[in-house]
Amino acid sequence: DGGITQSPKYLFRKEGQNVTLSCEQNLNHDAMYWYRQDPGQGLRLIYYSQIVNDFQKGDIAEGYSVSREKKESFPLTVTSAQKNPTAFYLCASSQKGDARPQHFGDGTRLSIL
Amino acid sequence: KQEVTQIPAALSVPEGENLVLNCSFTDSAIYNLQWFRQDPGKGLTSLLLIQSSQREQTSGRLNASLDKSSGRSTLYIAASQPGDSATYLCAALNNNAGNMLTFGGGTRLMVKP
Repeated sequence: DGGITQSPKYLFRKEGQNVTLSCEQNLNHDAMYWYRQDPGQGLRLIYYSQIVNDFQKGDIAEGYSVSREKKESFPLTVTSAQKNPTAFYLCASSQKGDARPQHFGDGTRLSIL
Repeated sequence: KQEVTQIPAALSVPEGENLVLNCSFTDSAIYNLQWFRQDPGKGLTSLLLIQSSQREQTSGRLNASLDKSSGRSTLYIAASQPGDSATYLCAALNNNAGNMLTFGGGTRLMVKP
């Protein structure tokens, strides 16, 4: 089945540690996105990529980094510079172009040890 | 900058009741307005998407309306069922924002048997 796979489902980070969240899609979508969701709040955009080897900062990029070496993959690294990383992280993808529907993965919940 | 607000933040109704969820946005220059469902610990499932030129969209027991001039959208759920219990999010796509969605904080719905 075509879709978006996020792993792991749960992740724990120690102080000063970088962790990487995986996002893979087999929908042949050009664009991919990372969102952060805090309890009782909507989604906020961290980074997005509209084509391989190119990505742009969203509203809350500080303390995060991404790469887009392959069309199918858009990993997100939560660095030690992100002081409040505990949240639910969602990855999405869409076809290239304006107003294309975004399809979402099932998310990764990141907590601090 | 677009801001999206959803009221109420939480709602509890008995089974069978018709209900309305509200979404308001500050910038009326939108491409479309989308309603999503989110089950606990899961990603987002798209329910309805209303283009800026449309007034409403229907899918089964769901009806979404859009009034750009007043900056409002509503999601009407008819004959609610316990299986409708979830968080409902609305998101606006603006003309000048590529494919970037601005999300509301969501309404957490509980339908009691």
